[in-house]
Amino acid sequence: SYALTQPPSVSVSPGQTASITCSGDKLGNKYACWYQQKTGQSPVLVIYQNDKRPSGIPERFSGSNSGNTATLTISGTQSMDEADYYCQAWDSSTVIFGGGTKLTVL
Amino acid sequence: EVQLLESGGGLVQPGGGSLRLSCAASGFTFSSYAMSWVRQAPGKGLEWVSVISGNGISTYYADSVKGRFTISRDNSKNTLYLQMYSLRAEDTAVYYCAKIMSNSYYISDYWGRGTLVTVSS
Repeated sequence: SYALTQPPSVSVSPGQTASITCSGDKLGNKYACWYQQKTGQSPVLVIYQNDKRPSGIPERFSGSNSGNTATLTISGTQSMDEADYYCQAWDSSTVIFGGGTKLTVL
Repeated sequence: EVQLLESGGGLVQPGGGSLRLSCAASGFTFSSYAMSWVRQAPGKGLEWVSVISGNGISTYYADSVKGRFTISRDNSKNTLYLQMYSLRAEDTAVYYCAKIMSNSYYISDYWGRGTLVTVSS
């Protein structure tokens, strides 16, 4: 079955750029999306169809997808961006989530 | 404003236990959108459970629940359901209801707050 792999944790200093990767076989041939989940809250969609931002999501969030890797990039990271981030894709009539990456802003 | 309100969670015994979750939707034309259930075990990541098309004809399930869970909807009541049978300890999780973006079966643009299901003796 198809799998998406994310690093368990990423750390970034405030104001710097954070990159979170999501790897899967030929993932670049699929659409990837990303969700942010803060502690005790429901997930929020931050990127869909590889690089589109839903309304209300700050411009500092961007996405890309090529080859076997999708990447979520947060420019000028703020303390409020500290959260778990999950990538997601659709394969063979199944929805797949990555294992999640804990982003720490310190 | 889109609102999704899950209900029906609780404590159930493993093995023969069953439970039906509901998700009351408002703020959008319910019948026009696919809907999904996603769960999250305590301290773990997100796990997709099932999705149903807007007209209720097409349904898809994760292998982990296939044959035990049934997703359905009542468009006249703007309500999504998840009937769960033969519950196991590993089904313990917060179950989220999510609205699916147009022309998609998996992009969840709105989520409910979730309802906790605990399978334990």
